[in-house]
Parts: sequence; structure tokens; C-alpha cells
Amino acid sequence: AQKITQTQPGMFVQEKEAVTLDCTYDTSDPSYGLFWYKQPSSGEMIFLIYQGSYDQQNATEGRYSLNFQKARKSANLVISASQLGDSAMYFCAMRVLNQAGTALIFGKGTTLSVSS
Amino acid sequence: EPEVTQTPSHQVTQMGQEVILRCVPISNHLYFYWYRQILGQKVEFLVSFYNNEISEKSEIFDDQFSVERPDGSNFTLKIRSTKLEDSAMYFCASSTGQGSNQPQHFGDGTRLSIL
Repeated sequence: AQKITQTQPGMFVQEKEAVTLDCTYDTSDPSYGLFWYKQPSSGEMIFLIYQGSYDQQNATEGRYSLNFQKARKSANLVISASQLGDSAMYFCAMRVLNQAGTALIFGKGTTLSVSS
Repeated sequence: EPEVTQTPSHQVTQMGQEVILRCVPISNHLYFYWYRQILGQKVEFLVSFYNNEISEKSEIFDDQFSVERPDGSNFTLKIRSTKLEDSAMYFCASSTGQGSNQPQHFGDGTRLSIL
């Protein structure tokens, strides 16, 4: 069975600092994708970044990067130069890639609070 | 940028009543999904839909739930006889499906409150 674990219920960071949000996953399928979503207090789910299991390099999208350690089955999200607007819930998610249209499995999320 | 649109943003319904949640996926997307998030909990998959039929569903998606694509643009989730525990945020999502690594893009959600 597939599983996503986010062990940090809450994280606190000061503006302009970097923060790492942890995510570990479990799957026996060799072909999978890892996704991070941001959920502000308004409730919408915003896609941030994607990492495929066969990707050789860590994914980056602007201030977001993914620290992918396949042997450890971890896919931590790194946010550089935090901004007040980064305060939100962050979800790590996974799905197998053997066919399109399969479900995302989500972790429980980490609440990030950015202070000035 | 194209987006997934959900209506209504908030629905209040009496227990036992039927409710229909509506979604307009991104126009060139082929795969459609419903997820739910009970307050304070993680997002849970309900169902995926492709080529006018259900492609995958979870244990949550029992006989009280159904999905439909009544026309070329809308995708609906019907809950036949609502229960108190159906109170949650319901998200619609869509993806292109042309590459299975494509992200699922979510709508803003419908907050369903069952009284």
C-alpha cells in the first residue's frame, strides 16, 4: 500500500529564511510521482512542484525546491527566502505513474507560519 | 491561466437531502477527480473519471455517491442521502492525462455543511 508521512504538524520560520518541510513515502511501485500542494487559509489547493521517481535531478520551481532522496524515500520541500504569504498548510502527495488518472495519496500536511 | 471552477463555494443541506456539487474542469483536460477533506484532516480521494466512466474509486465512494459529466464542460458529484459525516470540503480536480506525471489541478472547493 502507498503511504505519505508528514511528521511535522507545524513549522515556524522568520521572513527571508529558508525552511524545509519533511515528507517520506512508501510504495513498492518503481514508477511514481511526488507532488507538493499549498493550501492557504482560504482553502484552495495550489500545485507547487513535482518530482518523478526516475528524475535524476531535484526539481526546482522558483523559490521551491524538492530534496529528493530516493534511497531514504524522502521528498522534502525547501522554501527559500520565506515570505509572509507562504503561511499555509502544505501537503505532500504521491501517485503511481503506470497509468494516467490515478489517485493522489496525501499526507496529513504541515502548517507553516512565517513571521516578520 | 485556466482553472478548475467549482460551485457553489458553500452548500448547507439538511441531513437526508440530496446534494449536487458542480465543477467545470480545465477545458483540454481528460481526467477528472473528486476529493474530500474533513475539517482538520488530510485530503482523501473519492473517484476518478475518464472517457465518461469511473476509472478508479475509493472505499469512501459508496452507493450514496455518483458522478456524471452531463455535457461537454460540467462534472458533477451527487450525494443521494446526506449524512452528518458528509460535512467536508469537496475538491474537484482535473489533469491532462497525456503524461501521467501531469499534476492534478484543483478547484477552490465546495464547503458542504450537513445539519
